[in-house]
Amino acid sequence: TQLLEQSPQFLSIQEGENLTVYCNSSSVFSSLQWYRQEPGEGPVLLVTVVTGGEVKKLKRLTFQFGDARKDSSLHITAAQPGDTGLYLCAGILTGNQFYFGTGTSLTVIP
Amino acid sequence: GAGVSQSPSNKVTEKGKDVELRCDPISGHTALYWYRQSLGQGLEFLIYFQGNSAPDKSGLPSDRFSAERTGGSVSTLTIQRTQQEDSAVYLCASSPTGGTEAFFGQGTRLTVV
Repeated sequence: TQLLEQSPQFLSIQEGENLTVYCNSSSVFSSLQWYRQEPGEGPVLLVTVVTGGEVKKLKRLTFQFGDARKDSSLHITAAQPGDTGLYLCAGILTGNQFYFGTGTSLTVIP
Repeated sequence: GAGVSQSPSNKVTEKGKDVELRCDPISGHTALYWYRQSLGQGLEFLIYFQGNSAPDKSGLPSDRFSAERTGGSVSTLTIQRTQQEDSAVYLCASSPTGGTEAFFGQGTRLTVV
């Protein structure tokens, strides 16, 4: 069983639409990260959130850490084809171990 | 090097053979992680090295899997008597210290036939 569950698993949308990806757990994390992975490449870090309730914005991407530090969401406004990829959340527990989520595969259709 | 380097990039092996996968982390990074990823899925943790501490091997799926990290740098993941279910992409990541940003290599795609 995965420590972090992501939903949806697959998402296919038209260019210009908005979307939200969720990352949920029953565990409390010291921090949580979001990565994006393109085919044939390793994941690349997008953002780290540390404080419960924290909201970070990266251009059209908005990341939120839940108040209880058990969950997170990623919202993309006006999706572009360049946003296509596999989005992974990763929670860090004490001991500095990364626990990755189940992944959300996003396809943005031009 | 500039980033995490993994070799080989692709490996096709026959069932029952042993394979070794190599990871060269970013110089100076004390933490090194191995993950396994099935097609389009999330990452399954395998093993974590931090400095000179004993590695966290809790993710290794069976005793056919082992890993070592020599001199606090290069790491080798060994899979003995490979099975078809071992087919996956094996990703290595390093981190300046544990629990900060993970920098990933491009992975080794292992196919067991």
